[in-house]
Amino acid sequence: DVKVTQSSRYLVKRTGEKVFLECVQDMDHENMFWYRQDPGLGLRLIYFSYDVKMKEKGDIPEGYSVSREKKERFSLILESASTNQTSMYLCASSPNSGQQETQYFGPGTRLLVL
Amino acid sequence: AQKVTQAQTEISVVEKEDVTLDCVYETRDTTYYLFWYKQPPSGELVFLIRRNSFDEQNEISGRYSWNFQKSTSSFNFTITASQVVDSAVYFCALSEEEGNTPLVFGKGTRLSVIA
Repeated sequence: DVKVTQSSRYLVKRTGEKVFLECVQDMDHENMFWYRQDPGLGLRLIYFSYDVKMKEKGDIPEGYSVSREKKERFSLILESASTNQTSMYLCASSPNSGQQETQYFGPGTRLLVL
Repeated sequence: AQKVTQAQTEISVVEKEDVTLDCVYETRDTTYYLFWYKQPPSGELVFLIRRNSFDEQNEISGRYSWNFQKSTSSFNFTITASQVVDSAVYFCALSEEEGNTPLVFGKGTRLSVIA
């Protein structure tokens, strides 16, 4: 079974704090993704990575950065958290077989920024 | 640009009723993939189906069935004899053929099945 884990299910942070969200997958997948989910807006892509040390901006990268030092781990960083970053954050991974494969998701992190 | 529209924001049905969730997509690609995911109250997205654009056969898996119609750019999902455990948000998604491209999601349909 594919397993994608996220470091926290719930997180409360203060405005201006630096926040790290960690995602780990155990299936040796090349591709990893970070989405945020907000009511009425569905899932929106923040960043993705198709290889170690590689990253690509998604639709809403502003205010975020990412790090992929190891294949299994993809970190999302909020440099200075703001209240409008209160959201549900979902990590996903998929293999790179040359064609589009299924993305498998972690359980999500509900972040509240006060 | 690719786009997925799930026009039904919320649906409520009584248990044992059949329900169809609509998904309409837009793409200029000739080869693409379509997906359905389920998000129960726990929050994790659960993969349901992946379909290649060249495979227009309808698929049935237990109480779940999918109707893919290229002519209308639709990929609808039907639950037969709904159950309370089917209550969730359902997302339809679209992607290009190439493997390292992200999915484009619809905004989801919240299904409530009432006992």
